[in-house]
Amino acid sequence: DQQVKQNSPSLSVQEGRISILNCDYTNSMFDYFLWYKKYPAEGPTFLISISSIKDKNEDGRFTVFLNKSAKHLSLHIVPSQPGDSAVYFCAASDLSGTYKYIFGTGTRLKVLA
Amino acid sequence: NAGVTQTPKFRILKIGQSMTLQCTQDMNHNYMYWYRQDPGMGLKLIYYSVGAGITDKGEVPNGYNVSRSTTEDFPLRLELAAPSQTSVYFCASSYQGTSYEQYFGPGTRLTVT
Repeated sequence: DQQVKQNSPSLSVQEGRISILNCDYTNSMFDYFLWYKKYPAEGPTFLISISSIKDKNEDGRFTVFLNKSAKHLSLHIVPSQPGDSAVYFCAASDLSGTYKYIFGTGTRLKVLA
Repeated sequence: NAGVTQTPKFRILKIGQSMTLQCTQDMNHNYMYWYRQDPGMGLKLIYYSVGAGITDKGEVPNGYNVSRSTTEDFPLRLELAAPSQTSVYFCASSYQGTSYEQYFGPGTRLTVT
């Protein structure tokens, strides 16, 4: 039972354009969401997070949107740069005190120069 | 400040052998985690610890053991290696205070043949 789903395994975008990565979840108890970026042969690195009390969080070129009623979040990267080419994972937690995170399967983003 | 370090980077085991994957963090984080990532899949939580002396199972704990005798170290033990344990293993740590992001190590690529 996949509680966190990233249905697009890959995405290609032209440099300078917007990249939109999507993530759906099924557990309505999730109240904290994070996005990680992963380069080959490296560990994931934290990108941006959002709490369920917000519907948007912005950090530079990265914005995460949360639609609780649809159980959907998305990561927008504007403008996209070749260095953004990586695998992006979304993760969710219910912050019940265990701070366990459920990860999606990832979306491989390729930004074309 | 090295962050999260993992050793070894690569290892090949024969079926039935045992080994310990080492993980150390120097950020004084209270929470530590072990994940495995299989090809094309997201990260699955194996075990986690909320502090020295306290550990708990994640999604896929079978075949693994952990201990947490100090804040800094969180080793993962494989007792009887099986081909199904071929994976990339990531250790992570976090400070459960005002932020919840996890910091990951570079990973250990393990092959069991």
